[in-house]
Amino acid sequence: AQSVTQLDSQVPVFEEAPVELRCNYSSSVSVYLFWYVQYPNQGLQLLLKYLSGSTLVKGINGFEAEFNKSQTSFHLRKPSVHISDTAEYFCAVIIQGGSEKLVFGKGTKLTVNP
Amino acid sequence: EAQVTQNPRYLITVTGKKLTVTCSQNMNHEYMSWYRQDPGLGLRQIYYSMNVEVTDKGDVPEGYKVSRKEKRNFPLILESPSPNQTSLYFCASSSLRGRGNTEAFFGQGTRLTVV
Repeated sequence: AQSVTQLDSQVPVFEEAPVELRCNYSSSVSVYLFWYVQYPNQGLQLLLKYLSGSTLVKGINGFEAEFNKSQTSFHLRKPSVHISDTAEYFCAVIIQGGSEKLVFGKGTKLTVNP
Repeated sequence: EAQVTQNPRYLITVTGKKLTVTCSQNMNHEYMSWYRQDPGLGLRQIYYSMNVEVTDKGDVPEGYKVSRKEKRNFPLILESPSPNQTSLYFCASSSLRGRGNTEAFFGQGTRLTVV
């Protein structure tokens, strides 16, 4: 069975600092990879996804992520964060050729301080 | 506007009193699912549906029921709620045309408290 591990449950940073949110996955088959963001009191929305091709994918709000197959990682990065990036971030996978079930990590709460 | 609508947003109920949380999507998506979100556990899938009249259990189905009589609606039913079902619930939908590579759209969530 596949699983997703988000290595940090909370990440506090100062405004305009760079940030990296770490995600590792475990699967015996190929997967699609996703990052979703949940702003306070809202549902989840897609930040970016990796399906195939270039291992560096760019998403909304200046975020990007890099797929590393050998390390089974899909870390999320942003070079300069804003107060408005304060949210919870979820890494997720879907098995290629399987059901549509999103398997989520436990989430990383990013807090951007002034 | 493409959206998934859940109702109610907040609900406090008593143990054993049947309740239904509604979910509706306007994107003609085939796939719909329910998740619960608990602190430190992330989101876990309760039930899903691949199309009308096709539903199946997710990872944590105990104590829940669903139905899919119409493509747009996917209600979550708690026949006899218990305090351990206090949680934040999300409905989601996506198209099956992309087979895993499409975006899932989420509702705003329903915060349920069972006392």
